[in-house]
Amino acid sequence: DVKVTQSSRYLVKRTGEKVFLECVQDMDHENMFWYRQDPGLGLRLIYFSYDVKMKEKGDIPEGYSVSREKKERFSLILESASTNQTSMYLCASSWEGNYGYTFGSGTRLTVV
Amino acid sequence: QQQVKQSPQSLIVQKGGISIINCAYENTAFDYFPWYQQFPGKGPALLIAIRPDVSEKKEGRFTISFNKSAKQFSLHIMDSQPGDSATYFCAASIANNFNKFYFGSGTKLNVKP
Repeated sequence: DVKVTQSSRYLVKRTGEKVFLECVQDMDHENMFWYRQDPGLGLRLIYFSYDVKMKEKGDIPEGYSVSREKKERFSLILESASTNQTSMYLCASSWEGNYGYTFGSGTRLTVV
Repeated sequence: QQQVKQSPQSLIVQKGGISIINCAYENTAFDYFPWYQQFPGKGPALLIAIRPDVSEKKEGRFTISFNKSAKQFSLHIMDSQPGDSATYFCAASIANNFNKFYFGSGTKLNVKP
């Protein structure tokens, strides 16, 4: 089975901190994605990457950046955490082409 | 602006009943429509998917109905079970677009015993 592993299930950070969320996949997928999930809003795409060192903005990239130095690892960075970034963050990966995603279990981030 | 609109937001169904969740879209370039199921504490998992060249796809108790002219698709869960209680998301994507998906807002299904 494909596995997408997110390094933390729960995180509590202070306003202004720099936050790193890590995601690792083990199926050699080309594409990796970061979504945030909020009640009533569904899943919204923050950033995605289709190759090592390549990244593209999603629908809500403001306040976030990403890094993909190795094919299996995709990191989401909150440069200066704010309370409105309190959310569930989901990482996903897929092969190129129209196939479904494999999601990680999510990281619930609380910014206080 | 949400590209895929999903309803209802929540749904309560008795065991053995039929659960129906609806989604609508505007972008006619969408060509792949999956449904995801998410249990508490877990990430969403692909449940079933359809392409617009067919009007229906069935896998066990789960059926997608697709109406291309109306730009609508729906998930039907037959003989709903308490174990189906979860949040369901519809989604849509465009071919050759880095496999980006646009998700609906989700439906929380509660199947009562």
